[in-house]
Amino acid sequence: DQQVKQNSPSLSVQEGRISILNCDYTNSMFDYFLWYKKYPAEGPTFLISISSIKDKNEDGRFTVFLNKSAKHLSLHIVPSQPGDSAVYFCAASANHPNSGYALNFGKGTSLLVTP
Amino acid sequence: NAGVTQTPKFQVLKTGQSMTLQCAQDMNHEYMSWYRQDPGMGLRLIHYSVGAGITDQGEVPNGYNVSRSTTEDFPLRLLSAAPSQTSVYFCASSYSIPATYNEQFFGPGTRLTVL
Repeated sequence: DQQVKQNSPSLSVQEGRISILNCDYTNSMFDYFLWYKKYPAEGPTFLISISSIKDKNEDGRFTVFLNKSAKHLSLHIVPSQPGDSAVYFCAASANHPNSGYALNFGKGTSLLVTP
Repeated sequence: NAGVTQTPKFQVLKTGQSMTLQCAQDMNHEYMSWYRQDPGMGLRLIHYSVGAGITDQGEVPNGYNVSRSTTEDFPLRLLSAAPSQTSVYFCASSYSIPATYNEQFFGPGTRLTVL
């Protein structure tokens, strides 16, 4: 059963506007959340992360928001640029041996930023 | 510093053949893992290792073997390839287990087709 869900397979945004990518999770033991960006024919690259003790983390144009009570996180990209066009994966992990200490990934959201 | 390297980039196998996908990292990372990415499925964990000599199964381990004799290398073996193993395979590494706020670095991937 998918523990990390990205319900929007794709998103199209105009250059300069805000992109908001959403992610929901079901496992309340998750305490570390990450966003990865993936271009075609390349491996995923780390973008930004947040621990469960925070509700917001910023890095330049990228901000991740965490709402633990709703088990929801979002990635905001402001302003969006054409080079941001990629597939974005949400991932989460739990510091518990039963989880394999692994990252659980969502299915990804394909972002297209148009000029 | 090459990061995480994977060989080969592409491979075509016939059903029943065996092969090994190579993965190496030069960052002295303790944690390594293998994922497969299928269309619409996100990344799913196959096997992982928390250090040399220690491996364990992930979400989809059937049909695959791993070993970790050195810190640097984490090969993935397909024992008897099946068409269901057609996928893109990513190796990843991190300083420690991802849940302790360690981002994973991914290799460029191996695209495997089983006929």
